[in-house]
Amino acid sequence: NAGVTQTPKFQVLKTGQSMTLQCAQDMNHNSMYWYRQDPGMGLRLIYYSASEGTTDKGEVPNGYNVSRLNKREFSLRLESAAPSQTSVYFCASSDRRSQGETQYFGPGTRLLVL
Amino acid sequence: AQSVAQPEDQVNVAEGNPLTVKCTYSVSGNPYLFWYVQYPNRGLQFLLKYITGDNLVKGSYGFEAEFNKSQTSFHLKKPSALVSDSALYFCAVGKGYAGNMLTFGGGTRLMVKP
Repeated sequence: NAGVTQTPKFQVLKTGQSMTLQCAQDMNHNSMYWYRQDPGMGLRLIYYSASEGTTDKGEVPNGYNVSRLNKREFSLRLESAAPSQTSVYFCASSDRRSQGETQYFGPGTRLLVL
Repeated sequence: AQSVAQPEDQVNVAEGNPLTVKCTYSVSGNPYLFWYVQYPNRGLQFLLKYITGDNLVKGSYGFEAEFNKSQTSFHLKKPSALVSDSALYFCAVGKGYAGNMLTFGGGTRLMVKP
């Protein structure tokens, strides 16, 4: 099992450009998440999908959109990138069948917006 | 609203000595508490979690954490540190359905010196 995979690993954008970050998991998990990591601030939840067909906003959703394409895939889109979106983005997944399920994280996508 | 505080940006310890990484939390209701570790340029790896039951939780790589409800703390400990334990450690508290929406602390960098 590959676990949670993310593409690309690194991306440079110019202000105003758009891009989609891809995430896939092969653990048959119901829930998927997108976080951003900034120095000294830990990880902050952008969007999550509790199950296939549903998405909800997290703590910092502005400037992002998501799509739960199927049970395996959850993408994050930046429509018009801004320098404030320079960050490391992590996707995670978990199984919601019991309390406090562990989230498993992908390797991250490092995004630089110039 | 829930929150997590990791009061130390960095903890320095000599190899072979015990280590403690501190975490305090604020949440309504019963908390779901997690510790994750991040090595350079990698995603987060799950170490251990507290859901209910025994206040002392044992996890991966010899780490353990003690849940203290009266002090709202969940400190990470290890009896004998290794140089390979040097990494960034994150405490997180869960909320929502089954505690799956995580709020992370800012992280503590652990440096273990030979």
